Amino acid sequence: EPEVTQTPSHQVTQMGQEVILRCVPISNHLYFYWYRQILGQKVEFLVSFYNNEISEKSEIFDDQFSVERPDGSNFTLKIRSTKLEDSAMYFCASSEEGTGGHNEQFFGPGTRLTVL
Amino acid sequence: DQQVKQNSPSLSVQEGRISILNCDYTNSMFDYFLWYKKYPAEGPTFLISISSIKDKNEDGRFTVFLNKSAKHLSLHIVPSQPGDSAVYFCAASWGYGNKLVFGAGTILRVKS
Repeated sequence: EPEVTQTPSHQVTQMGQEVILRCVPISNHLYFYWYRQILGQKVEFLVSFYNNEISEKSEIFDDQFSVERPDGSNFTLKIRSTKLEDSAMYFCASSEEGTGGHNEQFFGPGTRLTVL
Repeated sequence: DQQVKQNSPSLSVQEGRISILNCDYTNSMFDYFLWYKKYPAEGPTFLISISSIKDKNEDGRFTVFLNKSAKHLSLHIVPSQPGDSAVYFCAASWGYGNKLVFGAGTILRVKS
């Protein structure tokens, strides 16, 4: 069964450093998303991406964040200068284009980002 | 952001009995609702969904009920199995391809 994959599973970085989190969405999916979950809190939306551009972003997704689809398979989230409060699980998700209003999003296993 | 609420942090059920997980929402714009299951150190796994034009959707042991007038949905698991023990998230969205808004989750423990 096709699945969303994410690398690395765990990333440790120093405050102020840049990190890139990588995702390979399901191959026939056209909508891509990043969410994060800070320990003990809700899963919260960061950004959605469709047709090679951002379709929506949350207030969390400030100038320190960027997303890119560098080729036909990868979808990346870059944090330019990490802060302690960026420590969280980051989930990539994807959904297919279809009809009927369905919006099932399929999630990857997550990358645990620890900022020291 | 309290648009989707799961007021029960945890639920404990005996194996073979029914598990009922509840979710309330406040945003009338939501037109699609989903339940996800999550194990520790894994991503959310899609379980079942329902469109706002329906009031019930069933898939095997899982049934989701939607009461639009009460802005309430519930997930029924019958019969409950120990492998169902996980965190269950309710999520809602409006429009296609848009973000999901998640509840805080309910920890389900199924005792054998």
